[in-house]
Amino acid sequence: AQKVTQAQTEISVVEKEDVTLDCVYETRDTTYYLFWYKQPPSGELVFLIRRNSFDEQNEISGRYSWNFQKSTSSFNFTITASQVVDSAVYFCALSEAMNYGGSQGNLIFGKGTKLSVKP
Amino acid sequence: DSGVTQTPKHLITATGQRVTLRCSPRSGDLSVYWYQQSLDQGLQFLIQYYNGEERAKGNILERFSAQQFPDLHSELNLSSLELGDSALYFCASSAGGTSAAEQFFGPGTRLTVL
Repeated sequence: AQKVTQAQTEISVVEKEDVTLDCVYETRDTTYYLFWYKQPPSGELVFLIRRNSFDEQNEISGRYSWNFQKSTSSFNFTITASQVVDSAVYFCALSEAMNYGGSQGNLIFGKGTKLSVKP
Repeated sequence: DSGVTQTPKHLITATGQRVTLRCSPRSGDLSVYWYQQSLDQGLQFLIQYYNGEERAKGNILERFSAQQFPDLHSELNLSSLELGDSALYFCASSAGGTSAAEQFFGPGTRLTVL
């Protein structure tokens, strides 16, 4: 069955520290997509990244980087030199290509990791 | 701003009542998804519409229903409301209807059932 696990419920760091948010997924599909979303205190969900299952290259965008490892079914997210504005709940999500039980494109979310960055 | 709009922003109602949540997708997006975010269940997929037709169903209760209109806006109807229906309801839209499509989320409607 498809599932996304974010084992870290809450993380607290001091500004300028690096922090890694873990994401482990389960899927029967060979073609799937992984996402990260950010939910700041204001409540909206902000898209950060999408990665397909055939592209294991790591990605860097400014202070953000993502490490995708199919061998361990993980898609971890690192924030370098964290800032107070990074404080938010971060969600990892999975979308499968095949139509299992009626699912077609919907996102399966993890429970989220609440990141607090203190000045 | 994602380009997805949702109204109302907040809704307070009583048990047993019926409410309608409205979503307008980004211009050009054909797919609309509804999600529910609650403290105990987290973010859960409810239902998806693509170009006016129901495409997929998640853990949506029978008391809930949705539709997508010819102008592509969507409405989520919640009836016989219970205390446990209190949650943040998100609408998302994407250009396509497949798993590859990036979904853009609206600001959400916070429903409080008293």
